[in-house]
Amino acid sequence: DTGVSQNPRHKITKRGQNVTFRCDPISEHNRLYWYRQTLGQGPEFLTYFQNEAQLEKSRLLSDRFSAERPKGSFSTLEIQRTEQGDSAMYLCASSPERGRETQYFGPGTRLLVL
Amino acid sequence: AQSVTQLDSHVSVSEGTPVLLRCNYSSSYSPSLFWYVQHPNKGLQLLLKYTSAATLVKGINGFEAEFKKSETSFHLTKPSAHMSDAAEYFCVVSGSNTGNQFYFGTGTSLTVIP
Repeated sequence: DTGVSQNPRHKITKRGQNVTFRCDPISEHNRLYWYRQTLGQGPEFLTYFQNEAQLEKSRLLSDRFSAERPKGSFSTLEIQRTEQGDSAMYLCASSPERGRETQYFGPGTRLLVL
Repeated sequence: AQSVTQLDSHVSVSEGTPVLLRCNYSSSYSPSLFWYVQHPNKGLQLLLKYTSAATLVKGINGFEAEFKKSETSFHLTKPSAHMSDAAEYFCVVSGSNTGNQFYFGTGTSLTVIP
C-alpha cells in the first residue's frame, strides 16, 4: 500500500491557462474524491467517482472544472481558463466501496494562478 | 443536511496539559464522524472515527473522542499534549445518503507551548 499520490505537487500558471492534475488512488479502492482547500478553510467537496462512474459533480465550482476517471484507476482534474480565485490546494482521496469508510488523502496539489 | 461546527479556530495549551478541541455536528441521518489532523506541508491523516459502535472512540497518538447524540457533539481530547501535536485539526461528518461525501469543519489550529 503506497497511499494516494498526486502530481504535480505544485503548479504555478498564468491566468487563462488550462491546468490538469493527476491522482492515483490506493489500488483496491473503488471510490475516488476531489476536494479543494483554500487558506484557513477546511476541504470542500468537488466530485467523486465509483469506479469509472462520476456519481456526483454538481459541486464542481463552475463549468471550467471537469474530472475524469476513464479506466476506474487514476483520475484527472482539469481547470480551464484559470482565474486567480482558483488558487488553492486540490486534494484527492480514495476509499473502499463499503459504506461509510475512511477516506485516505493524498498530499495535494498546490495551485497558484498569477 | 450535514455540517460540522468547530467552536474554536485556535487553541493554545502548555506541553503536558490536556487538550480539548470542540466539534458540534448537524445531520439528517445517523452520522459517521471523523477527526483528521493536518501537519504543515503534510496530507490529512485520520486520527479516529465514529460509525455507530462504541460512543467513546480511541485513536492514534493518545487522542480520543466521545459521541454525544443528545448534545450533537464529538469533541476531541488528549490527556497530555506533546509538542508534536501542534497542527490543524478537522472534524468531519459523513452521511450514507451522500455517497460518503465528507463535510469538513473550518479547522482548529493547536499550538503547544513548551
